[in-house]
Amino acid sequence: DGGITQSPKYLFRKEGQNVTLSCEQNLNHDAMYWYRQDPGQGLRLIYYSQIVNDFQKGDIAEGYSVSREKKESFPLTVTSAQKNPTAFYLCASTRERNTGELFFGEGSRLTVL
Amino acid sequence: GNSVTQMEGPVTLSEEAFLTINCTYTATGYPSLFWYVQYPGEGLQLLLKATKADDKGSNKGFEATYRKETTSFHLEKGSVQVSDSAVYFCALYYGNNRLAFGKGNQVVVIP
Repeated sequence: DGGITQSPKYLFRKEGQNVTLSCEQNLNHDAMYWYRQDPGQGLRLIYYSQIVNDFQKGDIAEGYSVSREKKESFPLTVTSAQKNPTAFYLCASTRERNTGELFFGEGSRLTVL
Repeated sequence: GNSVTQMEGPVTLSEEAFLTINCTYTATGYPSLFWYVQYPGEGLQLLLKATKADDKGSNKGFEATYRKETTSFHLEKGSVQVSDSAVYFCALYYGNNRLAFGKGNQVVVIP
């Protein structure tokens, strides 16, 4: 079955450590996105990528980094520079650019101890 | 700016009751509007969409009509089931890969 796989589902990190969240899709979608979800809040865009080897900052990119070396993969690194990293992170992709119609993974919950 | 406002607070109702979740938006131009649903422990799924004024999106018994005159896109379902318990997000697409999400409404359906 086609879909988006995020891993790990739960992750604990000590302050000062970088952590990388994996996102893999087998939908053959060109565009991929990372969102952050906080309790009682909507989703906020961190980074997005429309094609391989290209990505753009979203609304809250500070303290995060991404890469897009393969069409299927769009990993997110939460760096120690991110002041408040505890959150639920959602990866998404879209089959058509510029439509707003996204397919989401099941998310990764990061907790900083 | 471009933004979405959803009614405050969770919604608790009995099975077979009528559900309404309000959503209003602020946008320049004519955005596409969406409702996404998030079941417990999962990511979001597209529930329905409308791309122009007076369009009605519908899916799984849910409906929403794009009302330009009131800048609204309220979600309705005539008879909810326990399996409809989830968080519902209203969203608008305003171009350049940008979606603005509302804060979401937790819906709890009691048997």
